[in-house]
Amino acid sequence: DADVTQTPRNRITKTGKRIMLECSQTKGHDRMYWYRQDPGLGLRLIYYSFDVKDINKGEISDGYSVSRQAQAKFSLSLESAIPNQTALYFCATSEQTGQVYFGEGSWLTVV
Amino acid sequence: AQKITQTQPGMFVQEKEAVTLDCTYDTSDPSYGLFWYKQPSSGEMIFLIYQGSYDQQNATEGRYSLNFQKARKSANLVISASQLGDSAMYFCAMRPTVPGYQKVTFGTGTKLQVIP
Repeated sequence: DADVTQTPRNRITKTGKRIMLECSQTKGHDRMYWYRQDPGLGLRLIYYSFDVKDINKGEISDGYSVSRQAQAKFSLSLESAIPNQTALYFCATSEQTGQVYFGEGSWLTVV
Repeated sequence: AQKITQTQPGMFVQEKEAVTLDCTYDTSDPSYGLFWYKQPSSGEMIFLIYQGSYDQQNATEGRYSLNFQKARKSANLVISASQLGDSAMYFCAMRPTVPGYQKVTFGTGTKLQVIP
């Protein structure tokens, strides 16, 4: 089983709909992240959390919200999806230093 | 502020040849780590190799090695004996190793295609 699990892996949704991407991890890490990947732009940080009571905005948080339901769970919501939010989304975890562990990615298409 | 620059959007290499993917970085942090990730067409991010800024030797992991030149602020990935399965996007990343929030900064990636 993957250390970082994302659901759904693929989703097509309509403009204006609310969608949630869920993430759970078995690494025991306190730090969790949501990234967005667009062609030619690499990975950009949406939100990050250091523990259940700590939520921080990243580079591109507008149009997104997150919830840290437990140490192991960190969900990303698009309250009203728009086409330019079509992207590959990654959940990730890490310790204070060292590598970042990624989930398998969630392909989201907004039509 | 941190910055990672990957100047090669795409690269071709002949199977069984070696290839170097360039990465330069900029940071004011005294201590940091450098990473390379591989992203095949299926999308997942696969960790390849790590180099600490104070490590005395260049990191190696199987066919991957990291050519770390601190004075030049470069951390190039060398893949020896390329295989068809090496065709993928490759991302260089950096992270400070100091207390507090350590933002991970990614480059824009290099697409490597291995030619039979």
